[in-house]
Amino acid sequence: EAQVTQNPRYLITVTGKKLTVTCSQNMNHEYMSWYRQDPGLGLRQIYYSMNVEVTDKGDVPEGYKVSRKEKRNFPLILESPSPNQTSLYFCASSSPQGTQYFGPGTRLLVL
Amino acid sequence: KQEVTQIPAALSVPEGENLVLNCSFTDSAIYNLQWFRQDPGKGLTSLLLIQSSQREQTSGRLNASLDKSSGRSTLYIAASQPGDSATYLCAVSSTGGTYKYIFGTGTRLKVLA
Repeated sequence: EAQVTQNPRYLITVTGKKLTVTCSQNMNHEYMSWYRQDPGLGLRQIYYSMNVEVTDKGDVPEGYKVSRKEKRNFPLILESPSPNQTSLYFCASSSPQGTQYFGPGTRLLVL
Repeated sequence: KQEVTQIPAALSVPEGENLVLNCSFTDSAIYNLQWFRQDPGKGLTSLLLIQSSQREQTSGRLNASLDKSSGRSTLYIAASQPGDSATYLCAVSSTGGTYKYIFGTGTRLKVLA
C-alpha cells in the first residue's frame, strides 16, 4: 500500500530535549515536505526537499532541522524544543504531477 | 508574498444540497492548486489537483475550477452527504522552482442528515 508513515504519533517532551520525528514514504517520490498545523493558523510549511541532499526552507523553519540522506526518509529534528513548537506535524511526499500524500500526523507537546 | 484565503470558515447544509467552497489567492504565478479533505484527528487526503494550465478537474461528485487571472478556485460538491462532513483545504504551490506550498485555513463543512 502506498503510504507516508510518521513516528511517533504522539510525543510529550520537555524544553531543550532534542527529538527527531521520522518520516518515510514508499512511493519513490523525490519531493518531501514537513508542515505544522496550529488552530487559526492552518498548515504552514517548515522545510521541503526536492531530492536527496537538497533541502530548502519553507515559511517557518526556525528551530527545526531536516536531512535527506535517502529518497524514502525525511526526518524532522528539533535540537532544543520550546513550548511554542507544540503543534500537530505532518510529513508529505509529492508525485511528479504534484499530488501530495500526507502522513497521519505527529502530535507534539513541549512542556 | 502569497496568501490563500478560504471563505466561509464554516458551513452547515442539509443533506442533498449542492454547495460551493471558495479559495482565493493573491499571486497568480502558481504552479498548481490542490484541494484536500481533512477529517478530525486525521491527515489530509488529496481530492483534486489542478495544474496552472488547466481550468477544472472532476472526480465523482466533486468539481474544482481554477481562474488564475482572478486568483480564485472553487470546489463544487454535488448532492452532499453526511459523509462529506470534514474540513476542506486548498493549497497553492509557487512557480520559480521553489515549489513552496501555501495553505488556506480551510472551510469546516457539516452536512446534516
